[in-house]
Amino acid sequence: DQQVKQNSPSLSVQEGRISILNCDYTNSMFDYFLWYKKYPAEGPTFLISISSIKDKNEDGRFTVFLNKSAKHLSLHIVPSQPGDSAVYFCAASREDGNKLVFGAGTILRVKS
Amino acid sequence: EPEVTQTPSHQVTQMGQEVILRCVPISNHLYFYWYRQILGQKVEFLVSFYNNEISEKSEIFDDQFSVERPDGSNFTLKIRSTKLEDSAMYFCASRGQVYNEQFFGPGTRLTVL
Repeated sequence: DQQVKQNSPSLSVQEGRISILNCDYTNSMFDYFLWYKKYPAEGPTFLISISSIKDKNEDGRFTVFLNKSAKHLSLHIVPSQPGDSAVYFCAASREDGNKLVFGAGTILRVKS
Repeated sequence: EPEVTQTPSHQVTQMGQEVILRCVPISNHLYFYWYRQILGQKVEFLVSFYNNEISEKSEIFDDQFSVERPDGSNFTLKIRSTKLEDSAMYFCASRGQVYNEQFFGPGTRLTVL
């Protein structure tokens, strides 16, 4: 099932700089997108979401951008902090639907 | 802050045995889910539950699996006869009425020997 793809398995960023995590999707029925952060041996923690009627949503250091025509979304973290080091999952759903379809995740390492 | 809880954190069982994984969703949430993550693979959807019935299930969720909300607070996943390939982290999630964000529990690591 390749409906949601995160093509970068890992990303390394210096503390204080911007982290950009990318996600692509193929199913045009998706209209709600979410980012989760996951530490080892813990469940996914909800970070931020965006509906397909928007192209940007911001919450503190986290901003999600959605490009519907390209079926692409990205998560920007500014400034990056060492505590942001984790696995980041992109997920998609239908607004009236139930299940989340997850990408494979990107390991973010923020170096101090 | 309200959170989803799951018990046990780790369950070891013999192949062919029944297991029940337990979850307490966030109290005012109405939609409940089970997902699993096999080591090294994606988080994958198993089943969703609303208004005391299954609303959607994946092809993974075959006759060996069942879910139940036995009381007003617990949500359980039962695997009747476990197989080696059922070894995974199982996550429970819940969401409220208005927003689509699902909140996940810490997971139960199931090991089938």
